[in-house]
Amino acid sequence: DIQMTQSPSSLSASEGDRVTITCRASQDIANFVAWYQQRPGKVPELLIYAASTLHSGVPSRFSGSGSGTDFTLTISSLQPEDVATYYCQRYKSAPLTFGGGTRVEIK
Amino acid sequence: VQLVESGGGLVQPGGSLTLSCAASGFSFRNSAMSWVRQAPGKGLEWISLSIGNGYTTYYADSVKGRFLISRDNTNSAVYLEMGGLRVEDSAVYYCTKGLGYGYAIEYWGQGTQVTVSS
Repeated sequence: DIQMTQSPSSLSASEGDRVTITCRASQDIANFVAWYQQRPGKVPELLIYAASTLHSGVPSRFSGSGSGTDFTLTISSLQPEDVATYYCQRYKSAPLTFGGGTRVEIK
Repeated sequence: VQLVESGGGLVQPGGSLTLSCAASGFSFRNSAMSWVRQAPGKGLEWISLSIGNGYTTYYADSVKGRFLISRDNTNSAVYLEMGGLRVEDSAVYYCTKGLGYGYAIEYWGQGTQVTVSS
């Protein structure tokens, strides 16, 4: 099965900083990657699909890039409401594996 | 869109439980429905997927042979029959809906807690 490896597992940044999270697939998965945000105590929410398409209602400070095996989620200017754990997921075919998650905190 | 899970609870190791998810607000029969779980303090784990008419199903290795996903397109419901439950199956179980005709997850239910303990 294809594995999804996220890094870092956690990070702390200042408000307004640019934050980058990476996700690496163990095989080529084209652009079939989604990113989710899970705020503390909340249900996950879809941020990005098809590696770079922003889901409806998601702030434009979020962006995604990549194809093949290497993918990136970027927050251009970190806001307090972005404190959350972020997950990547491959979704072209089952198993729809998630990455291990990246916990983002504000310094 | 609404996804409302039910059926969670406390069960002994080796026991069984069936989760239900009542869906509304979208074309259910055209949507891929998955169950995703999250153990306390842990990450997300996809466990099962049902497509279209329900005859096409997939499972994570961790639950294959023990869990069964099914759907009722007439009543817009999806189910997860869980057998041979283990302590490590304890988690919040989310019912989810795919984006469009695909498998990225567009909507999540609020989740139902399953605790496996003696």
